Amino acid sequence: GEDVEQSLFLSVREGDSSVINCTYTDSSSTYLYWYKQEPGAGLQLLTYIFSNMDMKQDQRLTVLLNKKDKHLSLRIADTQTGDSAIYFCAPWDGYSGGGADGLTFGKGTHLIIQP
Amino acid sequence: GAVVSQHPSWVICKSGTSVKIECRSLDFQATTMFWYRQFPKQSLMLMATSNEGSKATYEQGVEKDKFLINHASLTLSTLTVTSAHPEDSSFYICSATSDGLPYNEQFFGPGTRLTVL
Repeated sequence: GEDVEQSLFLSVREGDSSVINCTYTDSSSTYLYWYKQEPGAGLQLLTYIFSNMDMKQDQRLTVLLNKKDKHLSLRIADTQTGDSAIYFCAPWDGYSGGGADGLTFGKGTHLIIQP
Repeated sequence: GAVVSQHPSWVICKSGTSVKIECRSLDFQATTMFWYRQFPKQSLMLMATSNEGSKATYEQGVEKDKFLINHASLTLSTLTVTSAHPEDSSFYICSATSDGLPYNEQFFGPGTRLTVL
């Protein structure tokens, strides 16, 4: 099965950029998602990248994908206190057995914002 | 985006009792629903995949007789934790998707915190 690795913690100063890294093992991943989870809440899809892309920018968010190294990163520009949350990387490899496959999540990176 | 609700948001029960958790897609028909489990400060682990009208597919290591899943309609899936024990205490999250959604997005419910005494 897929293995997804992330650093557990990242601490940045407010206003700086945050870069959260993720490595995965399944080269057949078609979509790679980034989810955000605030304390005691469910998951919110932040952004995604399709496997044939190298980069995707969405306002303050930039996703970089290195398929050769199976490395995904999420950059948050101008980090704000509201960005404080756990960020999960989740590659998705498509469909099997007649239906969509579930997601395999990394352990999540706790983003801590320092004033 | 689409809305997925879960009920209850939290539940406390005695050891040995059964607990039912509902997951509803409020504004779309979900052909597939997923159930995940999250331990404190841990990742989400996929427990099972549920397609409407068919039996759920369980991940390795998940006891299907303990975690009963029913997906009777395109908007409702239920997870019943039978004969719950303290080690079943966890945060249970469902998600829902539908064939043909853009970038195959899964929409997540807010989660249900189960505490077994």
